[in-house]
Formats: sequence, structure tokens, C-alpha cells
Amino acid sequence: QSALTQPPSVSGSPGQSVTISCTGTSSDIGSYNRVSWYQQPPGTAPKLMIYEVSNRPSGVPDRFSGSKSGNTASLTISGLQAEDEADYYCSSYTSSSTYVFGAGTKVTVL
Amino acid sequence: EAQLVESGGGLVQPGGSLRLSCAASGFTFSGFYMHWVRQAPGQGLIWVSDINGDGSYTSYGDSVKGRFTISRDNAKNTLYLQMNSLRVDDTAVYYCARGGVVAATDLWGQGTLVTVSS
Repeated sequence: QSALTQPPSVSGSPGQSVTISCTGTSSDIGSYNRVSWYQQPPGTAPKLMIYEVSNRPSGVPDRFSGSKSGNTASLTISGLQAEDEADYYCSSYTSSSTYVFGAGTKVTVL
Repeated sequence: EAQLVESGGGLVQPGGSLRLSCAASGFTFSGFYMHWVRQAPGQGLIWVSDINGDGSYTSYGDSVKGRFTISRDNAKNTLYLQMNSLRVDDTAVYYCARGGVVAATDLWGQGTLVTVSS
């Protein structure tokens, strides 16, 4: 199972919006609404930010939103804040009953 | 407060074995899928394996299939990962995580480092 494709990095100024794409195939993202997103600041464990494409767990700010079209999912961070600087990973359930992550995207707040 | 604490990591030679443990507390352990996810130094997350609540179903990533075995002891609220035939490229921090929502992990441990080297 190949990793999902994410851009290595995105950046934005405080208050701006950034969007991270996550491209898979018809065997994962394209077939299931089971896409999740994780935030990982340096030296810490990942934290769930979005599940089932667009659902936010309790406590996650509504600045974080998710969507999907075809084989590509996206995470948008609106009103970017300094605390949002971290690595972000997408994940999808697959037709093999396994999970696959993306390679990760580093978000930099300028 | 719900918590996961991994243990059992360390240095092992190529071809060796190691068993990781993950102690769960603060929630009904038997009611949740559990996962292992690993992260090589400076690299991204890789899904390793999962197991359902009663241990009757397991699944593995291609890179560990046939070498690693996931299991759980619900009486002890503990998740395990038996790792055999270890390779240098198995070197990573291993996280256990709770499958608390559909197809996602909502609670993670702090991780335990496994180093495979001669």
C-alpha cells in the first residue's frame, strides 16, 4: 500500500487560511469516507483533528475543517495561529481493511 | 482521565525479538479497537496493526505481516505487539492508539523507541 500524497510544506501568515491536500486512489480515499487528519508538533504524539472526512472531535477549534472530492481529501486551517505550526498527516481506510498515512505536511506560520 | 502508556522498547540486534506493551486506563478497554503506529526518526507515520475489542480480528500492514503479532489481555487492560525477525528498518518510535471514533484514533500514548542495530 503506497503512502497517500501530501505536499511537503505549506506556509501562511497569521490570520490567513492554508489548505493541505491528500491524494490517494480508488482503493482508499476514493472508496471510503474514512479520512482522518492528525496534528503532530515536534517531539509529541499525534493528535486527532478530523475524522470521517469532516468531523471534528470535541475540543478541536472550528478553524480546522475537512473535505473530500474523488480521490483527494483536504484539510483547511482558517485564521492561522502560531500554535498551528506542526506536521499534519492524513490517513485513510483501505480496501485491504488496513490504513494508510500520508507522508506528512509541515505547516509554517510566517 | 483516559491514558495509554507504552513500554518494552529498547535496543535489539537484527533478527531478534521484542514484545511491546501498552497499558490502558481511564476507559473501558475492551470496548475499543486498538492500533499500533510507528514513526522512524525524522520520518512520517506508518500504520502497523489493529485489533478489535475481543481480540477476534486483527489486521497488519504489508511491511510487518508474518513477523509481528498484535494481541490484547482485556483482564489486564493491556495491548501487546510481539515483534519477531526484526530488521534495521523496523527502528522507530512505536505508538499505541485507541480507535475511539470511526476509522480514526483519538487517544495516543507517548511512544516507545525500538532500535534495531548490531
